[in-house]
Amino acid sequence: GESVGLHLPTLSVQEGDNSIINCAYSNSASDYFIWYKQESGKGPQFIIDIRSNMDKRQGQRVTVLLNKTVKHLSLQIAATQPGDSAVYFCAENVGGSQGNLIFGKGTKLSVKP
Amino acid sequence: EAQVTQNPRYLITVTGKKLTVTCSQNMNHEYMSWYRQDPGLGLRQIYYSMNVEVTDKGDVPEGYKVSRKEKRNFPLILESPSPNQTSLYFCASSFRGAESGYTFGSGTRLTVV
Repeated sequence: GESVGLHLPTLSVQEGDNSIINCAYSNSASDYFIWYKQESGKGPQFIIDIRSNMDKRQGQRVTVLLNKTVKHLSLQIAATQPGDSAVYFCAENVGGSQGNLIFGKGTKLSVKP
Repeated sequence: EAQVTQNPRYLITVTGKKLTVTCSQNMNHEYMSWYRQDPGLGLRQIYYSMNVEVTDKGDVPEGYKVSRKEKRNFPLILESPSPNQTSLYFCASSFRGAESGYTFGSGTRLTVV
């Protein structure tokens, strides 16, 4: 598979445990945030998003929390499964409709069976 | 199936030999973008396009060209590839730019020798 990052922070969890992946974003004007999952050999896949007028959003087994005071975003994965093993990126939009997403470096999640 | 299609998936070429990586999306998205992904550096934007005949430089445009003659296609052109352009390339598209999530292609692994 493709190596997307040789120096990524790594989170190792046991199958069935909950995972929390953190991201510090850079711009207090950012108004839209996305979490992406990238499996080995594949392109990034959209997981969940949140706008700055919210502080929490839930999906299927995933929850995103946004703390604008400290510019922090987290992704919680419930009952982590081996298929969750991947690199996870956060992305922020600072420019509204004319902006571009700025991506974090990523965190590698490894799930031990 | 809604998707972004990149070709080729893998390419090995020699320094100076012009090449084109194609990207096509079938979702009628206005926004398209090219990224390169390198270990330790994350996703870096090369060029983007807000609509047909509208293209702009991203963070690392040197050595690349793009065109957007029609909505669905956004080819990436390397006029004279060099070894420092060896990388994993991703095309992405979006309905409303950074205000909605990007859909990524599967990637093109380019090696320039």
